[in-house]
Amino acid sequence: GENVEQHPSTLSVQEGDSAVIKCTYSDSASNYFPWYKQELGKRPQLIIDIRSNVGEKKDQRIAVTLNKTAKHFSLHITETQPEDSAVYFCAASMRDAGNMLTFGGGTRLMVKP
Amino acid sequence: DAGVTQSPTHLIKTRGQQVTLRCSPKSGHDTVSWYQQALGQGPQFIFQYYEEEERQRGNFPDRFSGHQFPNYSSELNVNALLLGDSALYLCASTPWGGGYEQYFGPGTRLTVT
Repeated sequence: GENVEQHPSTLSVQEGDSAVIKCTYSDSASNYFPWYKQELGKRPQLIIDIRSNVGEKKDQRIAVTLNKTAKHFSLHITETQPEDSAVYFCAASMRDAGNMLTFGGGTRLMVKP
Repeated sequence: DAGVTQSPTHLIKTRGQQVTLRCSPKSGHDTVSWYQQALGQGPQFIFQYYEEEERQRGNFPDRFSGHQFPNYSSELNVNALLLGDSALYLCASTPWGGGYEQYFGPGTRLTVT
């Protein structure tokens, strides 16, 4: 089955700096890659996603890039703010296989004011 | 428009007991997936329901079972509870027409003593 690895497990940045989180996946049939933000005690919140027919997608301060050949995708957050502090999860799924999401282990992002 | 809702919020059970968790999907969503999130880890897929049938199942024992009702709401049942079943149980719903996105509910925190 699919295996998703996520790095780093913790990331500390100064407010205003950029943060990058990287994920690799094992199954080349995966074609949908969402990113979730989970604050302490709250639900995972979908913040951005990308499909395999697109190489990059941007939404304000957040961007995701996908390299299908290398089987890795990354989340980029620019101009970080203290409210960006949370655990971020990447995931992968095969749309034709019922959309089962396989998650990475998570990255705890801390933005220091 | 209410998002995905789950009940109860918290639950404490004893080893060997049985538990039922409930989920109501977001309006306009017809597919419900269940995930187990252990402390400090990413969610793990349990199973998915569509048109009142289990469409896909993750690597969980038969003690975990579910149901989907005609109004698209769903239940997760766990029999013969083990200490290791203690976790946050998350429900996610997907829009009609087989969309890619999964939107999570707030979860049910299950503690087995």
